[in-house]
Amino acid sequence: GENVEQHPSTLSVQEGDSAVIKCTYSDSASNYFPWYKQELGKRPQLIIDIRSNVGEKKDQRIAVTLNKTAKHFSLHITETQPEDSAVYFCAASGGAQKLVFGQGTRLTINP
Amino acid sequence: DAGITQSPRHKVTETGTPVTLRCHQTENHRYMYWYRQDPGHGLRLIHYSYGVKDTDKGEVSDGYSVSRSKTEDFLLTLESATSSQTSVYFCAIRSPPGLAEYFGPGTRLTVL
Repeated sequence: GENVEQHPSTLSVQEGDSAVIKCTYSDSASNYFPWYKQELGKRPQLIIDIRSNVGEKKDQRIAVTLNKTAKHFSLHITETQPEDSAVYFCAASGGAQKLVFGQGTRLTINP
Repeated sequence: DAGITQSPRHKVTETGTPVTLRCHQTENHRYMYWYRQDPGHGLRLIHYSYGVKDTDKGEVSDGYSVSRSKTEDFLLTLESATSSQTSVYFCAIRSPPGLAEYFGPGTRLTVL
């Protein structure tokens, strides 16, 4: 089955700098890759997703890139702000009925 | 928030007692999921359902059972709760066409 590895597990950046979180997946049939943000005490919330027929997708300060050949995808957050502090999860899904999640990255934005 | 509710939101129980958590959706989605979240373990799938009376196991299904007799309700039962089942439990639905999962608000369960 699918296996998703996420790195780093913790990330600390200065406010205004960029943050990058990387995930690798094992199943070449996976074709859908969402990212979730979870603030302390809250539910995970979808922030951006990408399909395998697209190499990059942007939404304001966040972007996701996908390299199908290498089977990895990344979340990029530019001009980070204190409200970006949270745990971020990547996930992957192929024709299967469920998503497989990475272990999460705790992002801290330092003022 | 995608019309998902969970009940109860908080529960404290004792080892050996049965516990049932309820997930309710208002949007007629076919797929529903139960996860548990513990520090250092991310989101781990317990069971999921792909239709009424159609369910399957996830990666941490031991000690849990589920039922889905109506499209809108997905129940998670701990037949005899143990302290290792202390966790935050999230229900999720899967919404096409994006195939993203949308999460309920969570239930914090403490087993003493």
